[in-house]
Amino acid sequence: DVKVTQSSRYLVKRTGEKVFLECVQDMDHENMFWYRQDPGLGLRLIYFSYDVKMKEKGDIPEGYSVSREKKERFSLILESASTNQTSMYLCASSSPGDSLSNQPQHFGDGTRLSIL
Amino acid sequence: AQSVTQLGSHVSVSEGALVLLRCNYSSSVPPYLFWYVQYPNQGLQLLLKYTTGATLVKGINGFEAEFKKSETSFHLTKPSAHMSDAAEYFCAVIPSNTGKLIFGQGTTLQVKP
Repeated sequence: DVKVTQSSRYLVKRTGEKVFLECVQDMDHENMFWYRQDPGLGLRLIYFSYDVKMKEKGDIPEGYSVSREKKERFSLILESASTNQTSMYLCASSSPGDSLSNQPQHFGDGTRLSIL
Repeated sequence: AQSVTQLGSHVSVSEGALVLLRCNYSSSVPPYLFWYVQYPNQGLQLLLKYTTGATLVKGINGFEAEFKKSETSFHLTKPSAHMSDAAEYFCAVIPSNTGKLIFGQGTTLQVKP
């Protein structure tokens, strides 16, 4: 089974702090994704990566950055945390498959981040 | 832009009753379609997917969904609800050749005894 592991289930940080959320997958997947989940809004894509050292902006990248130095690890960085970044953050990975589109994404259990 | 609409943010059924969760997408070209389930305090788990071929797709836990191109719909059904089905369900699409999932807003399923 694919295993996507997020380093923390719950995290509390203060406004202005630099926050790192870590995600590791064990299936040698090329594609990795970061989402935030908010009630009534579903999941929104923050950043994604199709390869090591490669990153693409998703729909809501403002206030975030990412790092992918190794294939199995994809980090989300909140440069200066703000209260509106309090949310559930979900990491996912997928293999490219025959085409870029048809492979399902496998999700971690999420990190519930509170910014005070 | 592609969008996904799930009709009804909350659906309540009795145990043993039919479950129907609605999903419509906007696309002139049929995308790849997915249903995910999220149990409390967990990540998302894939229920089923449609890419090509048979339009009636069977998934885990007795769920199935039918792709109807003419209606741009991909509704999720289960003949008989079980208490353990209580969760949040997300419909998602991947527009061709993007690899990016677009999610609906989610539907919370409540199952009453």
